Amino acid sequence: TQLLEQSPQFLSIQEGENLTVYCNSSSVFSSLQWYRQEPGEGPVLLVTVVTGGEVKKLKRLTFQFGDARKDSSLHITAAQPGDTGLYLCAGAVISSGAGSYQLTFGKGTKLSVIP
Amino acid sequence: DSGVTQTPKHLITATGQRVTLRCSPRSGDLSVYWYQQSLDQGLQFLIQYYNGEERAKGNILERFSAQQFPDLHSELNLSSLELGDSALYFCASSVSDVYGYTFGSGTRLTVV
Repeated sequence: TQLLEQSPQFLSIQEGENLTVYCNSSSVFSSLQWYRQEPGEGPVLLVTVVTGGEVKKLKRLTFQFGDARKDSSLHITAAQPGDTGLYLCAGAVISSGAGSYQLTFGKGTKLSVIP
Repeated sequence: DSGVTQTPKHLITATGQRVTLRCSPRSGDLSVYWYQQSLDQGLQFLIQYYNGEERAKGNILERFSAQQFPDLHSELNLSSLELGDSALYFCASSVSDVYGYTFGSGTRLTVV
């Protein structure tokens, strides 16, 4: 089982501040995905990174995949209350014999942005 | 609306009972995945179906079973329910699993 460690577990910041959350593993992933989940709802896919060293930007969110494809970070600039939620990373590895990719989720970073 | 439909949204049942959770994947997606989410364990993969066939199994208990029908909807059956089975159960679908899943809004199961 591939273990994904996310840090910090909890983060509470003021509106307008910048923040970075991390997703680390000892396993190599074919892709890494970031999701945001709000209470009572399912996770919503934000981005998928595939290539080592890849950087993707989504408005104020910047995602980076580590060169070795074992880790990733999510940076939010000028956080807003609407960014509040649980941020989950998920790594995909090919499942031998199944012919598909298995997705393993980290436990998430719970972000609160205070107005 | 993500396009993945799960019913019911909430379910309260007694220990020892059996329940069925239903999922309709997003149009065009052949793969369906079931996940269990609890506070201490996070999202745990249960089982995957692809075009009607079981493709992969995760941490699914023997008391749990699933199937995917010809119209691609899927059902997760949970039997001999225990208090510890209380959790959120999510269904997700994808057209290409390496690029990401679309999740439904979940079924909250409470076993009393």
